[in-house]
Amino acid sequence: QVQLQESGPGLAKPSETLSLTCTVSGGSISSYYWSWIRQSAGKGLEWIGRIHSSGTTNYNPSLESRLTMSIDTSKKQFSLNLSSVTAADTAVYYCAREKMTNLGRWFAPWGQGTLVTVSS
Amino acid sequence: DIQMTQSPSSLSASVGDTVTITCQASQDISNYLNWYQQKPGKAPKLLIYDASNLETGVPSRFSGSGSGTDFTFTISNLQPEDIATYYCQQYYILPFTFGPGTKVDIK
Repeated sequence: QVQLQESGPGLAKPSETLSLTCTVSGGSISSYYWSWIRQSAGKGLEWIGRIHSSGTTNYNPSLESRLTMSIDTSKKQFSLNLSSVTAADTAVYYCAREKMTNLGRWFAPWGQGTLVTVSS
Repeated sequence: DIQMTQSPSSLSASVGDTVTITCQASQDISNYLNWYQQKPGKAPKLLIYDASNLETGVPSRFSGSGSGTDFTFTISNLQPEDIATYYCQQYYILPFTFGPGTKVDIK
């Protein structure tokens, strides 16, 4: 079955760029949307944005000006770059597959999550 | 953005009880609503999609209903392993948004 694994630094300095990668195993990366979702104590679960295997992206307007997502289908990886981070970006970051059927769309599976702390 | 609210924010019930959580959307989202379960230290797990459809492998004591702006999530015959936080999520329009969660505990 499909599994996702986030990787990247657990610490980022204020004003710098947070970079994370999600690796997909056990299934295809093609023909799906892949999302980043974060969870902080202050804001609960927040959808950050998504990228399709074709490279099409949709970003949360609240983060769009600082956000870049990319995908490498040959490596079965997709990535998140969030620039100019502040303490408010401290959160557990999850990657997730967006499954779409004629019955609806939902996030499954999810990665285990990775904690990123923004601090000097 | 569509705002999602949930009530209660937390509840405590006994094993075997029926537990009900409500989720309200700030605008009509038809039945474009999912429910997730999150246990401490774990990622959320899909339980219900499209407001009322049970994900494969999820026990039938979990159920969902509703349409439009008002939705209900029910756990019948509450079990100790159901201790978790439950979230609703709308996918009617981007950005996808989640409710603030309802923490379920055992008395």
